[in-house]
Amino acid sequence: QSVLTQPPSVSAAPGQKVTISCSGSSSNIGNNYVSWYQQLPGTAPKLLIYDNNKRPSGIPDRFSGSKSGTSATLGITGLQTGDEADYYCGTWDSSLSAAVFGGGTKLTVL
Amino acid sequence: QVQLVQSGAEVKKPGSSVKVSCKASGGTFSSYTISWVRQAPGQGLEWMGRIIPILGIANYAQKFQGRVTITADKSTSTAYMELSSLRSEDTAVYYCARVAPISSAFDIWGQGTMVTVSS
Repeated sequence: QSVLTQPPSVSAAPGQKVTISCSGSSSNIGNNYVSWYQQLPGTAPKLLIYDNNKRPSGIPDRFSGSKSGTSATLGITGLQTGDEADYYCGTWDSSLSAAVFGGGTKLTVL
Repeated sequence: QVQLVQSGAEVKKPGSSVKVSCKASGGTFSSYTISWVRQAPGQGLEWMGRIIPILGIANYAQKFQGRVTITADKSTSTAYMELSSLRSEDTAVYYCARVAPISSAFDIWGQGTMVTVSS
């Protein structure tokens, strides 16, 4: 059971937009930065978004992040078949003194 | 560009220990924080702990307290994660990851090490 809550799966057609939610509490998302990771099958996670809404160099602006209160959202526009992957949110939990992740969301591009 | 290269796959018996290495190339290893994250088959990511090599200080997730030891050798730019009293539930891919210098995010990941615990 993950500390952060994500939907198990989302789907959309190529070219469309999708959002993935991540819900937490005041001890984690509410008072710490959120990051998002993309994990393609059989590979290590890759950082997509850090500090709630910043993109590392090389990450296209089709990927965006936002945070409000104790929830965060990852948005992906112009969906491509290559975006099919598992997506994880993560942050620090001040009560647990530990990094925590969501359970992951599987994105299917129909 | 910093890269993290991990040691190869391991097969262990229940009750034994495993030690996984994570060698950094490029950059200043000692000034980074290195975390260990594991992923059981078909499951999500689970943080195990971290170390700041320059200080030699490690912190662990409560779940793994007493069973995991994270160390770092500055002379070889290598971090290690040792997990003891292995059980079948410890079968997973173990990743090392660097904490970004100006953020708390994990910006660089090792390729992962599969550890299988089986009798």
